[in-house]
Amino acid sequence: GAGVSQSPSNKVTEKGKDVELRCDPISGHTALYWYRQSLGQGLEFLIYFQGNSAPDKSGLPSDRFSAERTGGSVSTLTIQRTQQEDSAVYLCASSPRGSTGDTIYFGEGSWLTVV
Amino acid sequence: AQSVSQHNHHVILSEAASLELGCNYSYGGTVNLFWYVQYPGQHLQLLLKYFSGDPLVKGIKGFEAEFIKSKFSFNLRKPSVQWSDTAEYFCAVNAPGTYKYIFGTGTRLKVLA
Repeated sequence: GAGVSQSPSNKVTEKGKDVELRCDPISGHTALYWYRQSLGQGLEFLIYFQGNSAPDKSGLPSDRFSAERTGGSVSTLTIQRTQQEDSAVYLCASSPRGSTGDTIYFGEGSWLTVV
Repeated sequence: AQSVSQHNHHVILSEAASLELGCNYSYGGTVNLFWYVQYPGQHLQLLLKYFSGDPLVKGIKGFEAEFIKSKFSFNLRKPSVQWSDTAEYFCAVNAPGTYKYIFGTGTRLKVLA
């Protein structure tokens, strides 16, 4: 597609359930990022992929969070045993090379509400 | 560790007023600097960026930003705002040779018609 596509756009889940958030980056972009946007918190870096590998997972808040990327394209962010503090907008972004100063292009985000 | 501070969390202006949004970063070396904008209901998009050269950078929609190295600042300006500039603005920094982009907490701008 022309831009970064994320699904679902909105998700309401019960505390303790697992959720999967999907990101389809811009075709040909090798770098993929996940950020979390909480109210008043700005954008919090979660994880970065270069191709299918994730050289930096340091931003994942806990071991309940995991992400994978297959075929150098689609990525899935999984949150296990969701907690209310996981409620946020999860943003995916991609860039052509992941190199210095690349412009990163964002999707519209997945709004997650844990009740 | 790198960090970005945006001190104005909410700004309200009337149309035609001038705008300046503050952005300060903490990093001792060379940096690449960005402003992103998020209009209501839309995704984040690039407004302008600075890598090197002329410290005054011009972006889309009449926005500009000035890099002042001695102040570790990259403030965003617009001489005359419009109602359509109502949005949230994010400053970001990226250190050369790294992939990580560090964002500030954002500034919500509301322009009154």
